[in-house]
Amino acid sequence: GAVVSQHPSWVICKSGTSVKIECRSLDFQATTMFWYRQFPKQSLMLMATSNEGSKATYEQGVEKDKFLINHASLTLSTLTVTSAHPEDSSFYICSAIPAAVENYEQYFGPGTRLTVT
Amino acid sequence: AQSVTQPDIHITVSEGASLELRCNYSYGATPYLFWYVQSPGQGLQLLLKYFSGDTLVQGIKGFEAEFKRSQSSFNLRKPSVHWSDAAEYFCAVETSYDKVIFGPGTSLSVIP
Repeated sequence: GAVVSQHPSWVICKSGTSVKIECRSLDFQATTMFWYRQFPKQSLMLMATSNEGSKATYEQGVEKDKFLINHASLTLSTLTVTSAHPEDSSFYICSAIPAAVENYEQYFGPGTRLTVT
Repeated sequence: AQSVTQPDIHITVSEGASLELRCNYSYGATPYLFWYVQSPGQGLQLLLKYFSGDTLVQGIKGFEAEFKRSQSSFNLRKPSVHWSDAAEYFCAVETSYDKVIFGPGTSLSVIP
């Protein structure tokens, strides 16, 4: 089956620093990937849509300059949280859609827990 | 606007009892519907999905869901709950541009 990985699985960083989270589709190519964040005991909120070779599309209220998304290849998307603050602490989950597949489903990564101190 | 509601924030059932988790959606076109389960600190696992065809969908772990267009519902059911089913359950609908909107989730507790 289709597998999506995320690295790191958890990260602690100091306030003001930047942290990069990777999302990889291991056994399929993904033209589109999505980034979600999830606060404790809450649902997943879509942050942005990442398309290979083009700029990401951000949801309303998500700061583009703070959450930098790069989809440089068909198997890798990265989310960089710049100048992180404690309020950015959250669970970040990515998903990927296999290219050229009808009636697809999104395959989710295991998530990355970010703690900003 | 598209939305997903899950009326029950938290449900407690006894092990061996039946389970039904409710989900209602708002979407103009024919929806693609999903149920996911999330254990604490873990990612999402797809339980089942509905794209078209038979409105009763079978999933993994003994779960099933029924799509009712007239009620805009996609309720999840299981005839006999196991202690390992305790988790957070999310109903989701895929909208245009491949975006998936998640419901607020229902937390399931299972009493031994």
